[in-house]
Amino acid sequence: RKEVEQDPGPFNVPEGATVAFNCTYSNSASQSFFWYRQDCRKEPKLLMSVYSSGNEDGRFTAQLNRASQYISLLIRDSKLSDSATYLCVVNEGTYKYIFGTGTRLKVLA
Amino acid sequence: DAMVIQNPRYQVTQFGKPVTLSCSQTLNHNVMYWYQQKSSQAPKLLFHYYDKDFNNEADTPDNFQSRRPNTSFCFLDIRSPGLGDAAMYLCATSRAGKTQYFGPGMRLLVL
Repeated sequence: RKEVEQDPGPFNVPEGATVAFNCTYSNSASQSFFWYRQDCRKEPKLLMSVYSSGNEDGRFTAQLNRASQYISLLIRDSKLSDSATYLCVVNEGTYKYIFGTGTRLKVLA
Repeated sequence: DAMVIQNPRYQVTQFGKPVTLSCSQTLNHNVMYWYQQKSSQAPKLLFHYYDKDFNNEADTPDNFQSRRPNTSFCFLDIRSPGLGDAAMYLCATSRAGKTQYFGPGMRLLVL
């Protein structure tokens, strides 16, 4: 089993749609969690950290479920500019960050 | 603005010709990382520095070396690049256990 698993997609959704991605992790001792966005041929950019109580930033909502060992990202009212790869990152210790392979999202006009 | 800088953004080298990638940061983070990312794959950690302490990943080839002369700079040396080393190389920084911030990456082409 991979340490961090994501559905690679692509998720093709129309503009305005709501889309959700899940990410599962294998290490129950994982300490912190992040969603990054990566555009083609660019570096990963932090979208949001994921807090135990869940958190929201505009159209984006992140949730953490420690019991089932997954995190989720919900994007409401999708924009064309949301098209990207979304990377789930799990921190297992001070220096150990485990990346998922990413979920590709394409928002269609 | 505080940031992570990688120059150049693109580099072409010949098979077997040593190449050095550079990274600098103005965030004053004590941890610096080098990742290799190939197309449609997750970034793969090569090594990291915590201050001056170097930590090599077990599966990082000997062909890859690193130097960190001071807090701000970190270098990745590829001693004898092979065709399989063509990739994007990402430098990242963080405070220990906190959010990582990535540089823009350097795309290496090996001819």
